[in-house]
Amino acid sequence: DIQMTQSPSSLSASVGDRVTITCRASQNIDNHLNWYQQKPGKAPTFLIYAAASLQSGVPSRFSGSRSGTDFTLTINNLHPEDFATYYCQQSYTTPRTFGQGTKVEIK
Amino acid sequence: QVQLQQWGAGLLKPSETLSLTCGVSGGSFSGNFWTWIRQPPGKGLEWIGEIKDSGGADYNPSLGSRVTISVDMSQNQFSLSLKSVTAADTAVYYCVRGVLIYSIIRRSGKYFNGMDVWGQGTTVTVSS
Repeated sequence: DIQMTQSPSSLSASVGDRVTITCRASQNIDNHLNWYQQKPGKAPTFLIYAAASLQSGVPSRFSGSRSGTDFTLTINNLHPEDFATYYCQQSYTTPRTFGQGTKVEIK
Repeated sequence: QVQLQQWGAGLLKPSETLSLTCGVSGGSFSGNFWTWIRQPPGKGLEWIGEIKDSGGADYNPSLGSRVTISVDMSQNQFSLSLKSVTAADTAVYYCVRGVLIYSIIRRSGKYFNGMDVWGQGTTVTVSS
């Protein structure tokens, strides 16, 4: 299985901050990397596919990038509704695997 | 707009079989992957498996031969069966639509798989 290692596991930030979350794949997955947002008690929502492409309706303050097997989710100008847990997921092969999640909390 | 509505028993005893069904409304059943994901209490997301509209399925090897995903295109439904459950199977179970999205990366066009529509989740508790 491809292991997805996400960091940090949690972070504290303020409204207006820029936040960066990293995800590392255990092997090459090309650009087959998705990002999801999950709020407490809710199903995840789909944010980014192909490492850097925003899903329809996702605000432009969200962005993704890739460098080799390292992937980054950046949230610029953090909004109150962005406080949530974020997961990366590789879609390169099955079994599809997720990172362990990063909880973005209010400072 | 596609919506997924899931249902099934929420309380099971060890060794019983978990059965969940997901109804698809508002969109085409064809051309997508129909997926089950679970999330144990306080933990992360685990991919259980997926089935194509053609009926071909892929499963997480960690679940061995206990898992079966099936599709009923006539009813626009797909189902999850997990046999011989234990307390370790206690989780919120989500049905999810997987889609193929065409994208051009560095002048090369490719299809990418993403999970874009999620059911509301079903809490399944396994306890004697």
